[in-house]
Amino acid sequence: AQRVTQPEKLLSVFKGAPVELKCNYSYSGSPELFWYVQYSRQRLQLLLRHISRESIKGFTADLNKGETSFHLKKPFAQEEDSAMYYCALSGENYGGSQGNLIFGKGTKLSVKP
Amino acid sequence: DAGVTQSPTHLIKTRGQQVTLRCSPKSGHDTVSWYQQALGQGPQFIFQYYEEEERQRGNFPDRFSGHQFPNYSSELNVNALLLGDSALYLCASSPGQGGRYEQFFGPGTRLTVL
Repeated sequence: AQRVTQPEKLLSVFKGAPVELKCNYSYSGSPELFWYVQYSRQRLQLLLRHISRESIKGFTADLNKGETSFHLKKPFAQEEDSAMYYCALSGENYGGSQGNLIFGKGTKLSVKP
Repeated sequence: DAGVTQSPTHLIKTRGQQVTLRCSPKSGHDTVSWYQQALGQGPQFIFQYYEEEERQRGNFPDRFSGHQFPNYSSELNVNALLLGDSALYLCASSPGQGGRYEQFFGPGTRLTVL
């Protein structure tokens, strides 16, 4: 079964400390993986996706197929990074079109001053 | 462009009733997906509409149905409401069906079933 696991509900760090939000997935094919973020009182928005290999707001994520992980990392956390982070996997239907997203339960990141 | 818009913002219904939620996609987008987000959970995929047809469906009963109009806007209908249907319902639009397209989310409709 296709599944996304985020083992931490809450992660609290101090400003300037490194951050790693964990994400593991279960998928039988070639996955497309994403990190979405939801800041307070804002809508869910895409942070980054593994196929673009970009660094957004200092965050990076590397797909490790051997460990089936897609952890989100930032070397120096900022207070404005405090938000809810969701890891998501693009699913697949019988037609081969990958359109639906399978989300993890999310990790709340709190960056303290 | 206001992005994805949803109405209403909040809704309170009682068990057994029916509800209709509405979504207007971002300008230029033709694909609409609906998600249910229960408290403390990540969004769960309900279904996706493209060219006015349901193209993909998640693990939701037939009480959940939808529609897409020629202008790409969409409705989510839920019949015979249960207490467990209380959740935030999110609409997302994209410029195509495939996973390579970024999905843009609306602010959601908070449904409370009493």
